[in-house]
Amino acid sequence: KQEVTQIPAALSVPEGENLVLNCSFTDSAIYNLQWFRQDPGKGLTSLLLIQSSQREQTSGRLNASLDKSSGRSTLYIAASQPGDSATYLCAVSYRSAGRRALTFGSGTRLQVQP
Amino acid sequence: SQTIHQWPATLVQPVGSPLSLECTVEGTSNPNLYWYRQAAGRGLQLLFYSVGIGQISSEVPQNLSASRPQDRQFILSSKKLLLSDSGFYLCAWRETGGTEAFFGQGTRLTVV
Repeated sequence: KQEVTQIPAALSVPEGENLVLNCSFTDSAIYNLQWFRQDPGKGLTSLLLIQSSQREQTSGRLNASLDKSSGRSTLYIAASQPGDSATYLCAVSYRSAGRRALTFGSGTRLQVQP
Repeated sequence: SQTIHQWPATLVQPVGSPLSLECTVEGTSNPNLYWYRQAAGRGLQLLFYSVGIGQISSEVPQNLSASRPQDRQFILSSKKLLLSDSGFYLCAWRETGGTEAFFGQGTRLTVV
């Protein structure tokens, strides 16, 4: 069964700290991996998308890496701010999935303390 | 630019009542459309996807159905809601042959 796992489930850090969120997936045959942010009661905001041929993507203070061979991705957040508090979701588009549907992890709930 | 609209934002329905959630996408043609559900304490689960008008694929057996009457319209329905249908429903789209998925703001459904 193709799954996506995120660790930790929850994380609380003081403002200004650099942090890493982890995502692992069970099958290396993927189209891409996408990181999302979800605020409470809201939809998903796409943060970064990494194609299967890429190793990393960067956007501002965010950097996402992809290691297909080990089935891992990390989301690095530099100089965290209270506004970064949200749930971060990792989603994988497996090649075997219908029409590139996404398989999601359960998310990491991040709280940045001011 | 492309936008996705989903409504209503919140819905409280009694057990046994019908359901209709609507999703529309603007600024693109022939998108792939998806319905996901996020149940309490669980991750997002794919319910249905569609690659064109009238073409629906179901991922899990359930009490729900989906329809795509127009190119950029995707509807999630039920004839009789169950308590277990409660959750947060998200519509998403992707360009045909595209890579990135975009999500609507979601509908919080509570069945009482």
